[in-house]
Amino acid sequence: EVQLVESGGGLVKPGGSLRLSCAASGFTFSSYSMNWVRQAPGKGLEWVSSISSSSSYIYYADSVKGRFTISRDNAKNSLYLQMNSLRAEDTAVYYCARDGGWSPFDYWGQGTLVTVSS
Amino acid sequence: EIVLTQSPGTLSLSPGERATLSCRASQSVSSSYLAWYQQKPGQAPRLLIYGASSRATGIPDRFSGSGSGTDFTLTISRLEPEDFAVYYCQQYGSSVRTFGQGTKVEIK
Repeated sequence: EVQLVESGGGLVKPGGSLRLSCAASGFTFSSYSMNWVRQAPGKGLEWVSSISSSSSYIYYADSVKGRFTISRDNAKNSLYLQMNSLRAEDTAVYYCARDGGWSPFDYWGQGTLVTVSS
Repeated sequence: EIVLTQSPGTLSLSPGERATLSCRASQSVSSSYLAWYQQKPGQAPRLLIYGASSRATGIPDRFSGSGSGTDFTLTISRLEPEDFAVYYCQQYGSSVRTFGQGTKVEIK
């Protein structure tokens, strides 16, 4: 069974940093691209970042470019999102999601809440 | 960046009725790389449709997708109580993946 479990969310002050993790199981992690998608309270879905299976291709939404860094460790079946210079508008539930490369997001984690507030 | 605009924002219907949701792209979506997701409160999104018209595994056949280029439609032929939710379209044909703003299907 495919499972994606996010962790690392919490309360952080504006300007602070946080690192999210996504632990994957039930599939060959190193064969799939991975993504982060966020959802602000009461709002819609916003794609944040993608990373290809071998980390060769990385993309970011303009809203996080230069502040967030996506990475993965295929040996540990884990995906990460390093978030720096956090702003109030980064407050959201952050989901990790799998895709097969130019594919839809077929599996999602349950999300981890990040709250940026003083 | 491809902008996806969904309409209507809210659809008020009764169980058994037909729901038609629209997703319009600001430019042509490559190879019909268009997906639809369903999201219920407190849950992660669930993939319904990919490639504009292919149902994902386990999705009932009352859900269907159509369209190409810049205009896409999700149709729910007869609404079941569990179908009342928010629906999002997404394009995955460009490196910057984008979602529409969502359509809420609510019970009338």
